[in-house]
Amino acid sequence: DIQMTQSPSSLSASIGDRVIITCRASQGISNFLNWYQQKPGRAPKLLIYAASHMQSGVPSTFSGRGSGTEFTLTISSLQPEDFATYYCQQTYSSPRTFGQGTKVDIK
Amino acid sequence: DVQLMESGGGLVQPGGSLRLSCVASGFIVGTNQMSWVRQAPGKGLEWLAITYNDDNAYYSDSVKGRFSISRDTTENTVHLQMNSLRADDTAVYFCARDLGGEMSPGGMDVWGQGATVTVSS
Repeated sequence: DIQMTQSPSSLSASIGDRVIITCRASQGISNFLNWYQQKPGRAPKLLIYAASHMQSGVPSTFSGRGSGTEFTLTISSLQPEDFATYYCQQTYSSPRTFGQGTKVDIK
Repeated sequence: DVQLMESGGGLVQPGGSLRLSCVASGFIVGTNQMSWVRQAPGKGLEWLAITYNDDNAYYSDSVKGRFSISRDTTENTVHLQMNSLRADDTAVYFCARDLGGEMSPGGMDVWGQGATVTVSS
C-alpha cells in the first residue's frame, strides 16, 4: 500500500497568512493526488484534483503543486472560512489512501 | 442538483451486520465509480472500498472479507453491506462519487452527509 504523510499535523495561522501544507507519498504517484477540506461535523470537500487542478467553485486562494512523491497545498491568504482540516489522498493505486490530515486553526 | 444521501446507520452489537445505503440524485450511479470512506470519532479519513464501472470492487485490508459494496441501478443506489462488525468499525460512513480513474486522476467530488455506525454491546 502507498503511505501518504502530511506535514505539519497542525498549524496555527492568522487571517491573511500564507499557508503551505506538504504531502509525501511512499512511492511515485505521478499526479494522482487530491486535496480535501473538512470542517467539523461536515463531509469532506474536494479542493484540488490531479495535483494542481482546482475543483469548480473553489476560491483562487487555493493552489496545488507537485508530482511524483512530493506535493503541496498552498493557501495564499488565509480567510476565516479556511480554518479546517485538510487531507491529501492518492488515487494512483488501490487502496486509495489518505494522509493523516493537517488541522489549520486560528493563532 | 447532484446529491448523495446515506441511510441505514445505527447501533449494532459486535459480530452483527448492517447495510448502509446511499441514494444518488442528479447523476447515474451505474455509470460512475462510487466509494465509501469512514471517519472514526476524532480520527482522520479512511478509504474503505470502491466499485468500478465494470462492477469490479476493491477493498481496504481493514474491511476485506467483511464488507461488500454493490450497486442497485434500478434504485440509483450504492450499498455497503457490513458483516462481523467490531468496535473499531464505529465511525461516520460517507459515500462519494469517485472520478479517479485508473488512467486519469480525479477526486471524490460529491459526498453524502454521512451515516453514523456504532458497534457496542
